[in-house]
Amino acid sequence: DVKVTQSSRYLVKRTGEKVFLECVQDMDHENMFWYRQDPGLGLRLIYFSYDVKMKEKGDIPEGYSVSREKKERFSLILESASTNQTSMYLCATREQGNYEQYFGPGTRLTVT
Amino acid sequence: QKEVEQNSGPLSVPEGAIASLNCTYSDRGSQSFFWYRQYSGKSPELIMFIYSNGDKEDGRFTAQLNKASQYVSLLIRDSQPSDSATYLCASPHAGGTSYGKLTFGQGTILTVHP
Repeated sequence: DVKVTQSSRYLVKRTGEKVFLECVQDMDHENMFWYRQDPGLGLRLIYFSYDVKMKEKGDIPEGYSVSREKKERFSLILESASTNQTSMYLCATREQGNYEQYFGPGTRLTVT
Repeated sequence: QKEVEQNSGPLSVPEGAIASLNCTYSDRGSQSFFWYRQYSGKSPELIMFIYSNGDKEDGRFTAQLNKASQYVSLLIRDSQPSDSATYLCASPHAGGTSYGKLTFGQGTILTVHP
């Protein structure tokens, strides 16, 4: 079974803090994704990575950056957290050649 | 412009009924669709994948794809309270990049009441 883990289930941060969300997968998948999920808006893609050190912007990258130094780990960084970044953040992985994405348990981030 | 649209519901059906969930899409080039189920507080899990016109059945679930009308639906027969969840429709991103980006609809909340 694919296992995707995220560093925290719940996180509370203050406005202006730098926030790191970590995602680790154990299936050697090439592609990794970060989404945020808000009521009524579904899942929106923030960034994705198709290989180590490779990244591309998704639909809503503003205010975020990412890092992928190792194949199994994909980090989402909020450079200066703001209250409108309060959301559920979901990491997903995908094996090259297969469309199915496997999701981590999610991190519910609250910025106060 | 959103490419995949779902009625956000909520949709409420009695136990044993057929639940019908619908999704429309704007990109005629879309070739395949996924249905994910997401229980409250949990992450999405894939339940159906369809890539050709017509119906695909898996147990109590049937996915229907109509490319001419640009809609895809999910039917759940003999609905159970355990089917209560948010159902997300998703399509590989326009242009079919090899990186497999998915565009998700807003999700439909389904409640099956006893």
